[in-house]
Amino acid sequence: DQQVKQNSPSLSVQEGRISILNCDYTNSMFDYFLWYKKYPAEGPTFLISISSIKDKNEDGRFTVFLNKSAKHLSLHIVPSQPGDSAVYFCAATRNQFYFGTGTSLTVIP
Amino acid sequence: DAEITQSPRHKITETGRQVTLACHQTWNHNNMFWYRQDLGHGLRLIHYSYGVQDTNKGEVSDGYSVSRSNTEDLPLTLESAASSQTSVYFCASSESDMDTQYFGPGTRLLVL
Repeated sequence: DQQVKQNSPSLSVQEGRISILNCDYTNSMFDYFLWYKKYPAEGPTFLISISSIKDKNEDGRFTVFLNKSAKHLSLHIVPSQPGDSAVYFCAATRNQFYFGTGTSLTVIP
Repeated sequence: DAEITQSPRHKITETGRQVTLACHQTWNHNNMFWYRQDLGHGLRLIHYSYGVQDTNKGEVSDGYSVSRSNTEDLPLTLESAASSQTSVYFCASSESDMDTQYFGPGTRLLVL
């Protein structure tokens, strides 16, 4: 029973354009959300997070949006760069971390 | 620099054998976690610990055990390896419940 879902397994974007990665969750008790980035043969690394009391958090080219009523969060990358090509996992937590299945982003030069 | 390491990085074993995967962190974090990553499932929590002598079952704990005798280490043991346990295993640590988790590089396990 997947509590955090990423319905797009893959996404391709031209360099310089916006990448939008989406994530849906089912548990309204989640109070903290994170995005992780993973390169092949490496562990996931933390990218950006947002508390449930906010609806937006920005860090350089990365912005996370949270829509609690829709139980939806998204990660925007602007502008996208080839080095952003990786698998992105969203995660939600209350007492435990629950991860989505990941979206593989390819940024085409 | 503080870090989290896993060993071995790759392991091949046979069905029925006991296997232990090591995880060591020098962050001095109280919380440590074990996940497995499988295609179509993302990262799933196996076991976690909030401190020495504390262990808890996660979403997919059957067939696995952990023990926490010190702050730095949380070894994961597969009591009797099964082919369904072929996966990539990640260890992580965090300072507190809500904190960012820092992941190790992963162990790729193949059970034949």
